[in-house]
Amino acid sequence: NAGVTQTPKFQVLKTGQSMTLQCAQDMNHEYMSWYRQDPGMGLRLIHYSVGAGITDQGEVPNGYNVSRSTTEDFPLRLLSAAPSQTSVYFCASSFGRAGNEQFFGPGTRLTVL
Amino acid sequence: AQSVTQLGSHVSVSEGALVLLRCNYSSSVPPYLFWYVQYPNQGLQLLLKYTTGATLVKGINGFEAEFKKSETSFHLTKPSAHMSDAAEYFCAVSSLPMEYGNKLVFGAGTILRVKS
Repeated sequence: NAGVTQTPKFQVLKTGQSMTLQCAQDMNHEYMSWYRQDPGMGLRLIHYSVGAGITDQGEVPNGYNVSRSTTEDFPLRLLSAAPSQTSVYFCASSFGRAGNEQFFGPGTRLTVL
Repeated sequence: AQSVTQLGSHVSVSEGALVLLRCNYSSSVPPYLFWYVQYPNQGLQLLLKYTTGATLVKGINGFEAEFKKSETSFHLTKPSAHMSDAAEYFCAVSSLPMEYGNKLVFGAGTILRVKS
């Protein structure tokens, strides 16, 4: 099992550029989510999905889009990057019910200039 | 809305000393509670969790936490700190049990430093 994988590990963008952060899991988890981590603020939920074709917004969704066409993949799109989106992004997955352990990917460190 | 407060953004202990990291939560119903650890430049790893049953929960690497409903607390302890415990620790509360999905609300994190 590879667990949760994320690509790329590092990325530098210019303001206004777009990109997609990739996330994949091989544990057949229904639930997948994206968090951003900023110093002193913990992790904040951006978007989540409870299954293929079903997504919803988290605490900080503005500027980000997601889709879930398969159980395995959950990409995060930045349509027009802004310096405020400079952060470390983590993807996580778990079985669907509350209380299950979430498994985290290694993270993507994004800098927007 | 659920929330988590971690007291102390930085905690420093000597090797062999007691580790105590504080976490208080706010939830309208009995919550599910978690502690995660993050080593430098890595993702998060589950230390332990409380869902139901025994209120004293044991986790990996000698850590344990006690759920105290009357104090709305879930403090993390370890009797004797090791240099390898230096990391950032996050307390989190889960979605309400009746909801589908597994959203987590995290505290701001506590960086643990272990002095030799």
